[in-house]
Amino acid sequence: GQQVMQIPQYQHVQEGEDFTTYCNSSTTLSNIQWYKQRPGGHPVFLIQLVKSGEVKKQKRLTFQFGEAKKNSSLHITATQTTDVGTYFCAGRGAGSYQLTFGKGTKLSVIP
Amino acid sequence: DGGITQSPKYLFRKEGQNVTLSCEQNLNHDAMYWYRQDPGQGLRLIYYSQIVNDFQKGDIAEGYSVSREKKESFPLTVTSAQKNPTAFYLCASRQGTSQPEAFFGQGTRLTVV
Repeated sequence: GQQVMQIPQYQHVQEGEDFTTYCNSSTTLSNIQWYKQRPGGHPVFLIQLVKSGEVKKQKRLTFQFGEAKKNSSLHITATQTTDVGTYFCAGRGAGSYQLTFGKGTKLSVIP
Repeated sequence: DGGITQSPKYLFRKEGQNVTLSCEQNLNHDAMYWYRQDPGQGLRLIYYSQIVNDFQKGDIAEGYSVSREKKESFPLTVTSAQKNPTAFYLCASRQGTSQPEAFFGQGTRLTVV
């Protein structure tokens, strides 16, 4: 079945430093989504990427979808304490309703 | 307000008992999902349903059962056959291509003693 790998599992950064999490799929994806889960909360949708090589930005967050549509990354510039949480990628295969999540990257920001 | 509701938030059961977790949505979404979340394991798909009266097994369906008799409801039963049922369970719904994001409920933390 479809597998989505995400690294690193944990990342501790000083406030103001950058952060990147990477996602790789075993199969070509129709699209990829990113979610954020705050401590004690539930995942909340951030963005969806659909096109090969697509890049989208949301303020300090930059999302990329690889040319082969098998990998993706989320980059946060100048982290803030409000960025704390676990970031998940979720991939969907062509013609499928199944959303497969990566294991997530837990981000800690040291003030 | 539209949303997806899981109840209860915390649930305790004795080993060997079946337990049903509730998930209701009033978003008129076609697809619904159940995920299990364990520390360091991310979200693992248990079952999903694309339409009423139809559902498919996810990656870890053994020991679980679901039904989708109504569009709004997708209850999950954790049976006594599930060897390690203690976990955080998340339900989600999704409209489809017109609105791709999945909306999650607040989750149910099940503890089996």
